[in-house]
Amino acid sequence: DVKVTQSSRYLVKRTGEKVFLECVQDMDHENMFWYRQDPGLGLRLIYFSYDVKMKEKGDIPEGYSVSREKKERFSLILESASTNQTSMYLCASSLGLAGVGSYEQYFGPGTRLTVT
Amino acid sequence: AQSVTQPDIHITVSEGASLELRCNYSYGATPYLFWYVQSPGQGLQLLLKYFSGDTLVQGIKGFEAEFKRSQSSFNLRKPSVHWSDAAEYFCAVGENTGNQFYFGTGTSLTVIP
Repeated sequence: DVKVTQSSRYLVKRTGEKVFLECVQDMDHENMFWYRQDPGLGLRLIYFSYDVKMKEKGDIPEGYSVSREKKERFSLILESASTNQTSMYLCASSLGLAGVGSYEQYFGPGTRLTVT
Repeated sequence: AQSVTQPDIHITVSEGASLELRCNYSYGATPYLFWYVQSPGQGLQLLLKYFSGDTLVQGIKGFEAEFKRSQSSFNLRKPSVHWSDAAEYFCAVGENTGNQFYFGTGTSLTVIP
């Protein structure tokens, strides 16, 4: 079974702090994703990565950055947290561009971040 | 632009009743379609997926979905709902040229005894 783990289930940070959310997958997947989930808005893609050190902006990258130094790990960074970044953050991974079966995304349990 | 619409924000059904959750998509080419379920406080779990072939696909937990190209729809169905099916359900379309998914806003399902 694919396992995607996220470093924290719940996190409380203060405005202006630098925040790191970590995601690790154990299935040698090429692609990794960060989403935020808000009521009524569904899941919105922040960034994704299709290879080590490669990244692409999603729909809402403003205020976020990412890092992928190793294939299994994808970090989301909030350089200066703000209250409007209070949300549920979901990490996902997928196999890659090897074929149609590679598109399925596997999700971690999520990190609920509160910025006060 | 690609988009996914789930017209029903919230649905309530009685246990044992049938269920249909609607999903419409906008995508220029043949889409890759998915349904995910999210239990409270959890991540998303894949229920089923459609890439090609038979337009009626079977998934886990007794769910099925039908792809109708003419209606740009991929509705999720279950003949008899169980109380444990109460959750949030998300429809998604994946680009067939890349990796990006587009999610609907979700349908929250309540099951009453």
